[in-house]
Amino acid sequence: DAKTTQPTSMDCAEGRAANLPCNHSTISGNEYVYWYRQIHSQGPQYIIHGLKNNETNEMASLIITEDRKSSTLILPHATLRDTAVYYCIVRANQAGTALIFGKGTTLSVSS
Amino acid sequence: GAVVSQHPSWVICKSGTSVKIECRSLDFQATTMFWYRQFPKQSLMLMATSNEGSKATYEQGVEKDKFLINHASLTLSTLTVTSAHPEDSSFYICSARVPSATSGRPGAQYFGPGTRLLVL
Repeated sequence: DAKTTQPTSMDCAEGRAANLPCNHSTISGNEYVYWYRQIHSQGPQYIIHGLKNNETNEMASLIITEDRKSSTLILPHATLRDTAVYYCIVRANQAGTALIFGKGTTLSVSS
Repeated sequence: GAVVSQHPSWVICKSGTSVKIECRSLDFQATTMFWYRQFPKQSLMLMATSNEGSKATYEQGVEKDKFLINHASLTLSTLTVTSAHPEDSSFYICSARVPSATSGRPGAQYFGPGTRLLVL
């Protein structure tokens, strides 16, 4: 799987948009970009994933650059409950292939 | 949809005993489940891939005789930590992949809430 690079930590004010970047310059054509988050002492939570088009769901938006070498996860209105470690993972969408976690970005949302 | 449960949520045991952790996909069938381990302030580490009806595939450095995995049905995988030692104390998390034929978010991997193991 392609390696990803994320900032170690980020801060965001409550109510503002949180934009979390991820670099994946060695991504292959069949690899998807997945975003998960882990709130302290819980299992990771699926947020969103995409291949090349931008995606939006009830939790967030995923913006993937045209060359697919980087992406940004956007939480449009961050709340205190969004404080968590956010993981950007690239993986081919093949049965039996596990997600491999890096260190992620610790997002701290404050009032 | 796509809910994964784990039981127990936490367990304390004596050194030398065995502990079984159950992982269930509640509203979908999973031919493949994954087991991870997480130590404090570290990221999740993949331990093994559990395949329904066949042997699990273990990651390098994970002892298959110590961490027994059974995936007897499409909704249940179990991890048994045998002869547990204090260094096995960790947060164990299972995950299941939503099949491509399932509506919703096919290909996404969903995680259980985790099981915290403390070996005394």
